[in-house]
Amino acid sequence: GENVEQHPSTLSVQEGDSAVIKCTYSDSASNYFPWYKQELGKRPQLIIDIRSNVGEKKDQRIAVTLNKTAKHFSLHITETQPEDSAVYFCAASKGGLTGGGNKLTFGTGTQLKVEL
Amino acid sequence: KAGVTQTPRYLIKTRGQQVTLSCSPISGHRSVSWYQQTPGQGLQFLFEYFSETQRNKGNFPGRFSGRQFSNSRSEMNVSTLELGDSALYLCASSFSTDSDTQYFGPGTRLTVL
Repeated sequence: GENVEQHPSTLSVQEGDSAVIKCTYSDSASNYFPWYKQELGKRPQLIIDIRSNVGEKKDQRIAVTLNKTAKHFSLHITETQPEDSAVYFCAASKGGLTGGGNKLTFGTGTQLKVEL
Repeated sequence: KAGVTQTPRYLIKTRGQQVTLSCSPISGHRSVSWYQQTPGQGLQFLFEYFSETQRNKGNFPGRFSGRQFSNSRSEMNVSTLELGDSALYLCASSFSTDSDTQYFGPGTRLTVL
């Protein structure tokens, strides 16, 4: 089945710096790649997602890039703020004709700490 | 629109007991997926229900089961609880079942003693 690897497991940056989290997936049929942010004791919240027909997507300070050939996608956060501190999860799924439905395979998470 | 809700929020059970967790999706959403979150295994997919039918199943033993009702509300059941079943159980709802955007509920924290 699908395997998603996520790096780094922890990331510490200074406020205002950029943060990059990288994920690789194993199943070339995967076509949907969401990123979730989970604060301590809270539910995972979708922050951005990308589909396989798009190479890059941006929403204010957050962007995601997808390289289907390398089976690799990344989350970029610019101008980091203390409130960005949380655990970030990448995920992959393969719906449509492959019959994957909404099953998400998650990476192991990245603990991002934004220091003042 | 109200978000995804889950009840109860916290549960304490003993080994061998069974438990039922409930999830109410966002109004109009017909797909409900369940995930188990633990510090050791991370977020793992349990199963997905769409229009009262199980759409997908993860790699969990048969002790884990679920169902969905005509109003899209879903329940999951765990029988013969084991210590290792202690986890945060999250459900997520989406409109369709084709790699659709999923919105998570707050989760049910299950502790098995």
